[in-house]
Amino acid sequence: DTGVSQDPRHKITKRGQNVTFRCDPISEHNRLYWYRQTLGQGPEFLTYFQNEAQLEKSRLLSDRFSAERPKGSFSTLEIQRTEQGDSAMYLCASSQGDAPSSDTQYFGPGTRLTVL
Amino acid sequence: AQSVTQPDIHITVSEGASLELRCNYSYGATPYLFWYVQSPGQGLQLLLKYFSGDTLVQGIKGFEAEFKRSQSSFNLRKPSVHWSDAAEYFCAVAFKAAGNKLTFGGGTRVLVKP
Repeated sequence: DTGVSQDPRHKITKRGQNVTFRCDPISEHNRLYWYRQTLGQGPEFLTYFQNEAQLEKSRLLSDRFSAERPKGSFSTLEIQRTEQGDSAMYLCASSQGDAPSSDTQYFGPGTRLTVL
Repeated sequence: AQSVTQPDIHITVSEGASLELRCNYSYGATPYLFWYVQSPGQGLQLLLKYFSGDTLVQGIKGFEAEFKRSQSSFNLRKPSVHWSDAAEYFCAVAFKAAGNKLTFGGGTRVLVKP
C-alpha cells in the first residue's frame, strides 16, 4: 500500500487555461475527498465521493470546477478557465467506511497550482 | 457561527521544552475531533483523534490531546519537543451526518529553537 498519490505535484498555468488533477486513493478506500488549501490557511472542503457517487459539493466549488470518480477508484478534479484566485494547494484524501471510528482520512501530498 | 479556532498562529519553543497547542470549536453538538500535522512538502498526517470515551487521547510521535466539553476545547500537548516537531499543526472537526468531511482551523506553526 503506497498511500494516496496525486499527480502532478506542481502545475503552473496561464489564466484562462484548463487544468486537470488526478488522485489515486488507497486501494479499497471507498471514500475520496478533495480539499483546497491557500497559503497560511487550513484546508477547506471541496467535495467528496462514496465510491463513484459524488455526495456533496461545497459552495466553494464554482461552475468552473468539476470532479469525477468514474469507476470508484481514482478521481480527477478539473478547473476550467483558471483564475489567479484558483492558485492553491489541492489536497486529496481517502478513507474506508462511514463510521467515524474507521473513517480516518489519509492525505496525499497535494498538487500545487499556480495561475499566472 | 460554527467554527474551529486555533488562537495561536505561531509558537516558538525550545528543544526539550513542553508544547501545548490550543483548539476551540463552536458547534451545537460535540463533533469528532482531530489533530493533523503538516511538514514542508509533506501531506497532512493524522496525529490523533477523539470520538468518545476517555477524554485524554494518546497519539503518534509522543503527542496527546485532552477533550474538555465544558470549554469546547481539544488542546494538543507534548512533554518534550524535538527539532523534528517543527511543522504546522491543524485541529479539525467532523460530523458523521455531514459525511465526515473535515473542517480545519487556521493552523499553528511551531518553530523549535535549538
